[in-house]
Amino acid sequence: ELKVEQNPLFLSMQEGKNYTIYCNYSTTSDRLYWYRQDPGKSLESLFVLLSNGAVKQEGRLMASLDTKARLSTLHITAAVHDLSATYFCAPPEYGNKLVFGAGTILRVKS
Amino acid sequence: GAGVSQSPSNKVTEKGKDVELRCDPISGHTALYWYRQSLGQGLEFLIYFQGNSAPDKSGLPSDRFSAERTGGSVSTLTIQRTQQEDSAVYLCASSLPWDTQYFGPGTRLTVL
Repeated sequence: ELKVEQNPLFLSMQEGKNYTIYCNYSTTSDRLYWYRQDPGKSLESLFVLLSNGAVKQEGRLMASLDTKARLSTLHITAAVHDLSATYFCAPPEYGNKLVFGAGTILRVKS
Repeated sequence: GAGVSQSPSNKVTEKGKDVELRCDPISGHTALYWYRQSLGQGLEFLIYFQGNSAPDKSGLPSDRFSAERTGGSVSTLTIQRTQQEDSAVYLCASSLPWDTQYFGPGTRLTVL
């Protein structure tokens, strides 16, 4: 059974600072997705990482995947208030069923 | 283009009643998924439809839960004899095969 662990679960950051969210998973998966959720809203797709060593960047967010270490990271560069949200990583099990981490609540303070 | 839509957006029901939740996937998406999100359990997979294949029901928590997908498009999730622990946000997603899943806005179910 695939298990996913995210840390930290809560992150309070100052604007302009950098930080990394970590996502560890327990069994082999060839892909990994990152989603964002704003309060009271649904899930918005951020990245899909398709292979070992994959790196994707969008604005101040950069995601990477190491399938051998079963680790993905989401790096935030020079945080701004608009990035405040909950971030989920989700590797798929067989059949493309997503297994979600608990989520990291990010609060960016000015 | 139009995204995934779900109805109703909110549903309040009494314990023991049956409820039906509807999902309209993105046109052309052959895969459809149901998940639920609750404070205690986080985001959990419920059921998955892919084309004409038999659905993967491995995430359904009890036999009170069932789902169907008609004509390869619209899906209905039915919960019979609702219990308070069924209270959650039910999310539907659709995708092309093995591709990124796009989520609908969800149905917030409250069982009194």
